[in-house]
Amino acid sequence: DAGITQSPRHKVTETGTPVTLRCHQTENHRYMYWYRQDPGHGLRLIHYSYGVKDTDKGEVSDGYSVSRSKTEDFLLTLESATSSQTSVYFCAIRGAGGEQYFGPGTRLTVT
Amino acid sequence: RKEVEQDPGPFNVPEGATVAFNCTYSNSASQSFFWYRQDCRKEPKLLMSVYSSGNEDGRFTAQLNRASQYISLLIRDSKLSDSATYLCVVNEGNRKLIWGLGTSLAVNP
Repeated sequence: DAGITQSPRHKVTETGTPVTLRCHQTENHRYMYWYRQDPGHGLRLIHYSYGVKDTDKGEVSDGYSVSRSKTEDFLLTLESATSSQTSVYFCAIRGAGGEQYFGPGTRLTVT
Repeated sequence: RKEVEQDPGPFNVPEGATVAFNCTYSNSASQSFFWYRQDCRKEPKLLMSVYSSGNEDGRFTAQLNRASQYISLLIRDSKLSDSATYLCVVNEGNRKLIWGLGTSLAVNP
């Protein structure tokens, strides 16, 4: 157990509304990641962080922003949710050998 | 060519069978390799790292062939609980992992 929690676990929202997902870790890991997973596409990296206030884009960053003001929290924001952002969102931390450990995921539905 | 390629399956095998999955990767400079397991509607979980000399963990054996740029996972004496999607993952050394789309395994009674 890598001590990663995500909130909320499920959310239904309307198109055009802002949404923030939270990832919280308790083990002081430097690297944190946000992925989305969709059928046929596998895991796709949205953004990642390599320290407090240090973030970088992944392969599908359009429409998403992130913030990391504390080591333990990494927030993912959809400024104006669209139906194409309906997905399962996973947060992960990086282990000592380069492997990653995941939180339980957030199921987001944009109607 | 995709960076990490896996046969999506599904592989349907009876309990007790031996099953093998292969995965190919495109970047010859890749540094480390992993197999993950993902159950339906759950997060991916690390199954095992893959070392150059090959490694075994109980019924699971992972092997790496750098010359041919592929890794493999062998599952012996399959159990019903092994039914899942198996993800091949490559670390190219740039803080990010490259994920295969996964191979689906169904172990049948």
